[in-house]
Amino acid sequence: SQQGEEDPQALSIQEGENATMNCSYKTSINNLQWYRQNSGRGLVHLILIRSNEREKHSGRLRVTLDTSKKSSSLLITASRAADTASYFCATDQGSNYKLTFGKGTLLTVNP
Amino acid sequence: EAQVTQNPRYLITVTGKKLTVTCSQNMNHEYMSWYRQDPGLGLRQIYYSMNVEVTDKGDVPEGYKVSRKEKRNFPLILESPSPNQTSLYFCASSPLGRSYGYTFGSGTRLTVV
Repeated sequence: SQQGEEDPQALSIQEGENATMNCSYKTSINNLQWYRQNSGRGLVHLILIRSNEREKHSGRLRVTLDTSKKSSSLLITASRAADTASYFCATDQGSNYKLTFGKGTLLTVNP
Repeated sequence: EAQVTQNPRYLITVTGKKLTVTCSQNMNHEYMSWYRQDPGLGLRQIYYSMNVEVTDKGDVPEGYKVSRKEKRNFPLILESPSPNQTSLYFCASSPLGRSYGYTFGSGTRLTVV
């Protein structure tokens, strides 16, 4: 069952610009995570934010979580061509450590 | 290097011919899981395991089997593959606990003809 839904489905920006992706989910969560996937490759864990946290930073990444709106956003600042990838949010909402993934946002950063 | 290793990377097989996709992790993680990724459907969990000899069904377990005889290995078995199992498969592992993300393997692209 789909839990997270990313928005937009695709985003194209110029190098140096900021990129913002959003994720909405339906049920209460233990934590929310963001992953990156380069074309056809394995997913790479970027950042995890717990349900009692509101904001988290890691390098050029900033994640916010609003549990009242059941939404999260991922901001990538000063984007680089190497940031071109699909980005997925994933929610941990049960007792079995299962992650439920959204369908992703395809980010293209043009040099 | 800490990693999840899947083999093979690519596989083309015929309907009904049993196959196994191997997955091994070197991080002593308790939790391991298999996902399949399909266009328009995203990633869906097939099976997971919280420890040795403990496995359970995910969202799309039909047509698949798994085993967890050792902590590091979690093979995915397709006893009688069908064309609808053509997909990109990922193995993932993590420690148990709410503070950890998954480490994914590089994927196995399976085509069943």
